[in-house]
Amino acid sequence: DTGVSQDPRHKITKRGQNVTFRCDPISEHNRLYWYRQTLGQGPEFLTYFQNEAQLEKSRLLSDRFSAERPKGSFSTLEIQRTEQGDSAMYLCASSLVAAGGAETQYFGPGTRLLVL
Amino acid sequence: AQKITQTQPGMFVQEKEAVTLDCTYDTSDQSYGLFWYKQPSSGEMIFLIYQGSYDEQNATEGRYSLNFQKARKSANLVISASQLGDSAMYFCAMREGRGKSTFGDGTTLTVKP
Repeated sequence: DTGVSQDPRHKITKRGQNVTFRCDPISEHNRLYWYRQTLGQGPEFLTYFQNEAQLEKSRLLSDRFSAERPKGSFSTLEIQRTEQGDSAMYLCASSLVAAGGAETQYFGPGTRLLVL
Repeated sequence: AQKITQTQPGMFVQEKEAVTLDCTYDTSDQSYGLFWYKQPSSGEMIFLIYQGSYDEQNATEGRYSLNFQKARKSANLVISASQLGDSAMYFCAMREGRGKSTFGDGTTLTVKP
């Protein structure tokens, strides 16, 4: 399977705990995005990387959230001291930026987080 | 102001008929891209079709076509010969320049047998 993969697919945690999600992009893709989606809404941008550099962060990404892409391959998204409002689907997408290209983002299956 | 507006929260279509899902966008950029994604109940976002702002022809991908009207800032998705498996949530998205995409709130399509 050469698509974007995410792990875990589901996570239930208690308020105040830390959680970490992993995303493995399509292998030749140089950009990796994180989005958050709540019920009945479209995905909202959180942050993205080009190779290992984090190029943009949304104001939605509070200081409890941190993302890394240490070697320009997989990425992790950590949420510290989780709150019930963090309950959502966390989507990862990857794309290949090339001259003149469309830069289509391909999404993974998502990690569904429930904070009790 | 909403950058992407999908005015139809829910749509119904009879199997084998065509359906149009509306999308309007707001941007002052000259260069942008418009995308449609399908999200079944499993949650995965599936890329369907792309239209670049400089593309003169409407994009087509199999049963999907994008009706791009630049002056009206609309990018409607047309699905021909609907199938039961087309029942899902559909999202319109826009990318301005390079980088993040902005999504609409989606339209739930139900295909009736």
